[in-house]
Amino acid sequence: DAGVIQSPRHEVTEMGQEVTLRCKPISGHNSLFWYRQTMMRGLELLIYFNNNVPIDDSGMPEDRFSAKMPNASFSTLKIQPSEPRDSAVYFCASSLASANPDTQYFGPGTRLTVL
Amino acid sequence: GDSVTQMEGPVTLSEEAFLTINCTYTATGYPSLFWYVQYPGEGLQLLLKATKADDKGSNKGFEATYRKETTSFHLEKGSVQVSDSAVYFCALIIQGAQKLVFGQGTRLTINP
Repeated sequence: DAGVIQSPRHEVTEMGQEVTLRCKPISGHNSLFWYRQTMMRGLELLIYFNNNVPIDDSGMPEDRFSAKMPNASFSTLKIQPSEPRDSAVYFCASSLASANPDTQYFGPGTRLTVL
Repeated sequence: GDSVTQMEGPVTLSEEAFLTINCTYTATGYPSLFWYVQYPGEGLQLLLKATKADDKGSNKGFEATYRKETTSFHLEKGSVQVSDSAVYFCALIIQGAQKLVFGQGTRLTINP
C-alpha cells in the first residue's frame, strides 16, 4: 500500500518567492494534518482537515501561510512570500477519523530551505 | 492543558544494552498513547500504541505499558541494535479529539 506521498522532497528557494508543498494522503483516510519540524521548536501542528474542510488552523504562523484541500486525495501548503525563518521540514500526515484511536501516518517530509 | 514530557537526550548506548526512554504525560481527558520513531532523513513512523490503562504496546522488540497511576508510558527494549539509532517521540491523543500532542523527542545513538 502506498503511504502518504509528499512532493517535492527538497526545495531550495530565495526569500520572497512563493513555495507550494503537496501531499497525497492514504486512500480512504479522511483527516489530513500539516506539521512543521525545526530544531528550535520541535514538531508543530499547523493545520488539519476533516473531509476536506479545515478544522483547526490555529498553528498557522501568519498570513503568509495558507493550506487547501480541494479533494480527498490532495492538499497543498503554500507560503507566500517565503522568509529564511520558514526553513524547516514540513510533514503531512493522514488518518481515519472514525478509528479509535485516531492513528496518524506521516509522509517522508519536504525539507524547505529559504535563502 | 495536555502535555508530554520525555527524557532529555541525546542517549548513547552500546549494542545489546538495555534501553529505557522515559515518558510522562498530563491529560485533561482520557488519552491514547503512542511512540513514534524517526530515522535519519525520514518521516515519523508509528512504533507502538496503547489505548487504555495497563495495555502494553509492542513492536520490533520495543515495549511500553500504559500506567495510569504514574501517568507514564516508558519505552523499553532489552537489547538494542545499531539500526535502532533514531529519534523517538512519545505522544498522546485525547479520546474523541484528533490533535496529537508530542514530546520533544529523544535522540538515541547505538554504537557497535
